[in-house]
Amino acid sequence: SYVLTQPPSVSVAPGKTARITCGGDNIGSESVHWFQQKPGQAPLLVIHFDGDRPSGIPERFSGSNSGNTATLTISGVEPGDEADYYCQVWDSSTDQYVFGSGTGVTVL
Amino acid sequence: EVQLVESGGGLVKPGGSLRLSCAASGFTFSEHGINWVRQAPGKGLEWVSGVSSGSKFIYYGDSVKGRFTISRDNARNLVFLQMNSLRVDDTAVYYCARDGPTNDFIDYWGQGTLVTVSS
Repeated sequence: SYVLTQPPSVSVAPGKTARITCGGDNIGSESVHWFQQKPGQAPLLVIHFDGDRPSGIPERFSGSNSGNTATLTISGVEPGDEADYYCQVWDSSTDQYVFGSGTGVTVL
Repeated sequence: EVQLVESGGGLVKPGGSLRLSCAASGFTFSEHGINWVRQAPGKGLEWVSGVSSGSKFIYYGDSVKGRFTISRDNARNLVFLQMNSLRVDDTAVYYCARDGPTNDFIDYWGQGTLVTVSS
């Protein structure tokens, strides 16, 4: 089955840029979606189709996808961005959703 | 406003059964696939099962195949997850989650219901 690999944690100072990677075999040929999950809350879609922002998501959130790595970028990080972030794809070979292992973002 | 409300969680012994429900509102229910995604305590997200808008396509994750059954009632805007032969490692918060319009991503989540499997 398809495997998505994320770093366990990323630390960033307020106002700086956080980059969260999601690795997968030829992931650039897939559509990648990103979710934010704060403690005790349900996940929230922040990026879909590699780099599109749903309504209500700040422009600070952006995404890219090429080769074997997709990246979620948070510019001008704020304390409220501290959360776990998950990437997701649909694996059409097995008809299953696949999630990455998640990355915890800490705002220093 | 899209709303997904899960119910039916609780404490059950290993080998037991439980039926989860998801009540949907705020959108045309019969036009969207619905999924169950779970999260064990302190762990990441694991997709469990999904059902297409008209129930033509049903999918299961490898860890629940043969034990869990998903179904939906479009007349009542409900989705169910029948969980049999429960194991300790099925302990998790179970989220109901809606497919986006292209059926290859999830766009809305409920708040989840906790299932605890313990003797």
